[in-house]
Amino acid sequence: GAGVSQSPSNKVTEKGKDVELRCDPISGHTALYWYRQSLGQGLEFLIYFQGNSAPDKSGLPSDRFSAERTGGSVSTLTIQRTQQEDSAVYLCASSLARRDEQYFGPGTRLTVT
Amino acid sequence: QKEVEQNSGPLSVPEGAIASLNCTYSDRGSQSFFWYRQYSGKSPELIMSIYSNGDKEDGRFTAQLNKASQYVSLLIRDSQPSDSATYLCAVLFWDTDKLIFGTGTRLQVFP
Repeated sequence: GAGVSQSPSNKVTEKGKDVELRCDPISGHTALYWYRQSLGQGLEFLIYFQGNSAPDKSGLPSDRFSAERTGGSVSTLTIQRTQQEDSAVYLCASSLARRDEQYFGPGTRLTVT
Repeated sequence: QKEVEQNSGPLSVPEGAIASLNCTYSDRGSQSFFWYRQYSGKSPELIMSIYSNGDKEDGRFTAQLNKASQYVSLLIRDSQPSDSATYLCAVLFWDTDKLIFGTGTRLQVFP
């Protein structure tokens, strides 16, 4: 079946602009996760959704970052007033239920100039 | 602070050898354990999960878990050049439901 999909695959934006990153999880997966991977760095947890609710937003680095999930499916990660330090690959993963194996999408490479 | 630690490598092994990748973690609570492979420029790909002490085998891969020593490892038998990648150890801590990743071990398999 289809895996996790993310769009866009690449995004170049100017400092100060807002960006929206989209994640479409595997059909039937109730849990959805956002991570960030900076060049040469490990994966950093951002936020986790169970259904449409986000029980854990503790990983969001600042109030410029927000995320929502609608219909228990697609999720959008929004970064407002982007900064150069936001440049990274943003990865989405989904799992059948919480604590199950997580499957990653191909990621969105964000470059802030 | 929950931590997952791996040697960054690179670990270089000849083709056909066994590659042994190790990972230690903090905390003695309930956890699940995962190994991911990440090729350069690609996203992590799940290789194996392990939930209880002992060995779990899947093809050329064997995951080993020792909760008393807070240690999990991945053995790759008959290593191939196509196995050259970064291997990420990840621990799901049940008290927070967070999957914490190690920084990864880079494996190089030379012909």
